[in-house]
Order: sequence, then C-alpha cells, then structure tokens
Amino acid sequence: QKEVEQDPGPLSVPEGAIVSLNCTYSNSAFQYFMWYRQYSRKGPELLMYTYSSGNKEDGRFTAQVDKSSKYISLFIRDSQPSDSATYLCAMPQRGGGNKLTFGTGTQLKVEL
Amino acid sequence: GAGVSQSPSNKVTEKGKDVELRCDPISGHTALYWYRQSLGQGLEFLIYFQGNSAPDKSGLPSDRFSAERTGGSVSTLTIQRTQQEDSAVYLCASSPLSRGVISGTQYFGPGTRLLVL
Repeated sequence: QKEVEQDPGPLSVPEGAIVSLNCTYSNSAFQYFMWYRQYSRKGPELLMYTYSSGNKEDGRFTAQVDKSSKYISLFIRDSQPSDSATYLCAMPQRGGGNKLTFGTGTQLKVEL
Repeated sequence: GAGVSQSPSNKVTEKGKDVELRCDPISGHTALYWYRQSLGQGLEFLIYFQGNSAPDKSGLPSDRFSAERTGGSVSTLTIQRTQQEDSAVYLCASSPLSRGVISGTQYFGPGTRLLVL
C-alpha cells in the first residue's frame, strides 16, 4: 500500500463548477500537507500548503485537512479552463531534507 | 529570475545505453532533488543534495542510477545500461538553504522525458 493515495481521474467538469480533489495517507508522522499543480509538460508548482487540521483559503482554492481520518482535500470554486492541470498532493518527510512523498496526481479538465 | 532548467528536454535511447540528464538549479539554492514521474506512479524521490553534505541516495531504484553535483550547483543524473522500465519524466527541484518545510519550498524544472526503446 502506498503512503499517499490519490484518485488519478481524469476528472472533467463544466466551467464554474466546484471541484473536490482528495488524498488519503497512512503515515501519521506527516505534519505538512501540500498541493502542487502541474500543467502539461511542465514541472509541478506549489499551490497551497497547510499544517494543522481545518481549512485554509486562498482565493478560489480551499485546502482542508482531517488528521484524524488522514484525509486531505483541495476545493476549487468557480473553476476556470485555466485550472485544467494535474493536481498532486504531497507531504514532506520528517527529518533532514524535506523529501516529498507525492500522490499519483488527479488530472482535471475544466470545459467551456 | 531564471528558474530551474533541465536538459535535454527529451531523450530517446536504446536499451542498454547510458544516459546523462542535467539540472541547473536556481542560483543560490543549496538543496537539489531528483524525482522520477512515471505513468500511474506519481513522483518518486530519487536523491537529495544539500550543500557539502553526503547525498541522500535512499530513493535510487538500483545501482544503475547515480548522480553528482559539482561545485554545489549543476547536477547530473546518470542511468547506466538503461532498461525500458526506466522510461519516465525525470524532474529536478531546488530549494533555498532552510530546515523549514515552507521556507525550503522546492521549485521544479520542466523535466527530461526519457524513452528507452
């Protein structure tokens, strides 16, 4: 079993929809939770991060963490075609190096 | 400013040949990471360099894989006797000197797409 599980999709939604992307993890040592966005043929870029359980908002994006269930979510409100990308959850390993453990990524397409 | 750059952007090779992939990190970043992204596998950590410390090679899948970082800057990932299962996108990331998770955010390059025939 992988430490981080993520539904690969693809997920296709109409413009303006609310999108919910989710990951589960098994390692209770994970303390930080990140969401990266990766456009086609580009490297991932950090979108949001959270530390504690609860919600964190940044514009149209909300990151949610439930440590008791080992479940994290990213919500996108009023989705736009420019949001079409692969979204990866990632968790840095404790100890030296901040090596990231990634989910497989969910491919999202927002259609006009 | 310039981001992380990687070369070549695409590489096609024959099974059994050696390949070298190059990463130029962001100037001033002391930490450098290599990851591999395969279909259905997501990104997997390969190796990590921090300053002059010994590299963390815990993610390298076999002894055919090795990496160097010269002068604390440019890094080269070498795959010897390539196999078809080595086909993937190899991504490099760099981050500033920091023990903090967020202050040490990793910035990724565009990757090298390797295809082993």
